[in-house]
Amino acid sequence: AQKVTQAQTEISVVEKEDVTLDCVYETRDTTYYLFWYKQPPSGELVFLIRRNSFDEQNEISGRYSWNFQKSTSSFNFTITASQVVDSAVYFCALSEELIDKLIFGTGTRLQVFP
Amino acid sequence: DVKVTQSSRYLVKRTGEKVFLECVQDMDHENMFWYRQDPGLGLRLIYFSYDVKMKEKGDIPEGYSVSREKKERFSLILESASTNQTSMYLCASSARDLSGIEQYFGPGTRLTVT
Repeated sequence: AQKVTQAQTEISVVEKEDVTLDCVYETRDTTYYLFWYKQPPSGELVFLIRRNSFDEQNEISGRYSWNFQKSTSSFNFTITASQVVDSAVYFCALSEELIDKLIFGTGTRLQVFP
Repeated sequence: DVKVTQSSRYLVKRTGEKVFLECVQDMDHENMFWYRQDPGLGLRLIYFSYDVKMKEKGDIPEGYSVSREKKERFSLILESASTNQTSMYLCASSARDLSGIEQYFGPGTRLTVT
């Protein structure tokens, strides 16, 4: 069965610190997709990134970077030089090749203090 | 821009009432989803639909039903609301491209059942 684990329930950092949010997944499929979403206090889910299982290249987008490692079934998310606006709940999710439904982790609440 | 709208941001209903949550998307997407979000549990799939009049149960369908009479509209129905259905409800629609799927979320409806 598919499963996504975000072991970190809550993380608190001070502005300008780097922070990594962990995501570990389980699937028997060889083709699958991984996602990260951000949910700010307003409640709306904001899409950050998706990765398919054949693309293990790390991705960097500004202060955000993602490390996908199939060998450890992990898709970790790092925020460099965190800012107060990064405070949110972050969700990692998985979907199979043929079915579009997402399986979400339980989320990590990130609090960035000034 | 893809837009997924939900009929209410906040809703308060009494136990035993029939409740309708409406979701509309404007991108002609085939697939639509209803999730429920609870603290510590992440998002869990209630129902999804691949086409008009088609529906599939998700992970927690008990106590809910859905209706999809038109492609752009997907309704979630609580036949007899109960207090344990107090939650945040998120609707989504999805599309596929060469890189995989992308799922777009509405702003959510926070339902309180008293």
